[in-house]
Order: sequence, then structure tokens, then C-alpha cells
Amino acid sequence: GENVEQHPSTLSVQEGDSAVIKCTYSDSASNYFPWYKQELGKRPQLIIDIRSNVGEKKDQRIAVTLNKTAKHFSLHITETQPEDSAVYFCAASYDKFYFGSGTKLNVKP
Amino acid sequence: GAVVSQHPSRVICKSGTSVKIECRSLDFQATTMFWYRQFPKKSLMLMATSNEGSKATYEQGVEKDKFLINHASLTLSTLTVTSAHPEDSSFYICSARRSYEQFFGPGTRLTVL
Repeated sequence: GENVEQHPSTLSVQEGDSAVIKCTYSDSASNYFPWYKQELGKRPQLIIDIRSNVGEKKDQRIAVTLNKTAKHFSLHITETQPEDSAVYFCAASYDKFYFGSGTKLNVKP
Repeated sequence: GAVVSQHPSRVICKSGTSVKIECRSLDFQATTMFWYRQFPKKSLMLMATSNEGSKATYEQGVEKDKFLINHASLTLSTLTVTSAHPEDSSFYICSARRSYEQFFGPGTRLTVL
């Protein structure tokens, strides 16, 4: 089955700095790569996604890049704000969804 | 958007009892729903794929007799934790698939005493 690895497990940045979270996947059949933000005790919220026919996608301060050849994709958050503090999960999907281990992002004011 | 509800949000039960969790897609039909388990400060672990009108498919290491899944309609899947034990205590989250996306329920926190 699919194996998704995510790094780093924790990330601490100063407000206004950028944050980058990286994921790799193993199954070349995976063709959809969503990123979720989860706050404590809440459901994951989709923040951005990318399909395998696209190399990059941007939505305001958030962007995702995908390298299909290397089987890795990354989340980029620019101009971070304290409210960006949460746990972020990447996932890879073909028919099922497999999640990375999560990154706890702390944005210091 | 797509709305998925989950009930109950929180349940406390005694060891040995069974607990049923419902997952509903409120504004779309979902032939496929997923059930996840999440331990504190850990990732979502896929337990099983629930397919409307057919048997669920379970991930490796998940006991199908322990976690019974029924997907009797296009808007409802249920997960029954049978003969619950304290080690079954966890946060259970369902999701419903629409096209290539999934939409999550709010989760159920199960505590087995």
C-alpha cells in the first residue's frame, strides 16, 4: 500500500516568516494530494490540494508544489500569522487516502 | 459545500459494551465513506473503506469482527465497536467521498472505562 512520510514533525517560525512542510509518497498511482489543517479535537480542514496533472497551485498565502518524478510534494505558507498555528497533514490518494504523520506548526508573535 | 455529520460527538461506555457511531452525508450521496482512528498527537489511520451495498474493506491489522461497518444507504455508514475495551478509546473520524475529494465528519471521542 501507499506510504506517506512527512517532515518536519514540528516547526517553529516567527510571525511573518515562511513555513515549508514536505511529504513523500511511494505509490506512483496516487494522483491527488490534499493538505489539511487540524486544530485540537476538531476535524481536518482542507486548505489546499493538487492533482497529479499540475505542478504547482497557489491560493493567497498558501502554495503546494508537486514533483511526480521524485514522488514528493510540499506545502508553502508565506507571511505566517499566529492563527496559522495548528497541526498540518499531507495525504496521498488514488482510491483511498493515506496521511502523513503530521507537522505541528507554531507561529510565534 | 459538502456537509458530513457524525453522531455521537462523544461517548463514554463500560468495558464489554458495544458502541455505534453514525456518519451521514447531508447534502450529497456517497457510495464510499472512510473510517479513521486518531490517537492523541498522532495522524489519522485509515481503518476501513465503507462501500454502499457491499462489504467494507479493512486495512491490514484492523479486526473486522471488532469494528463492524455497515453502509446501507448512500448517505449513511455506521461503525460499531463491539465488546469495547479501554484500548479502543480513541477519536474516530469518518469521511465521505465525492469525486476525488473527501469531506470529514466532526469526529467521535470514545472513552471506554
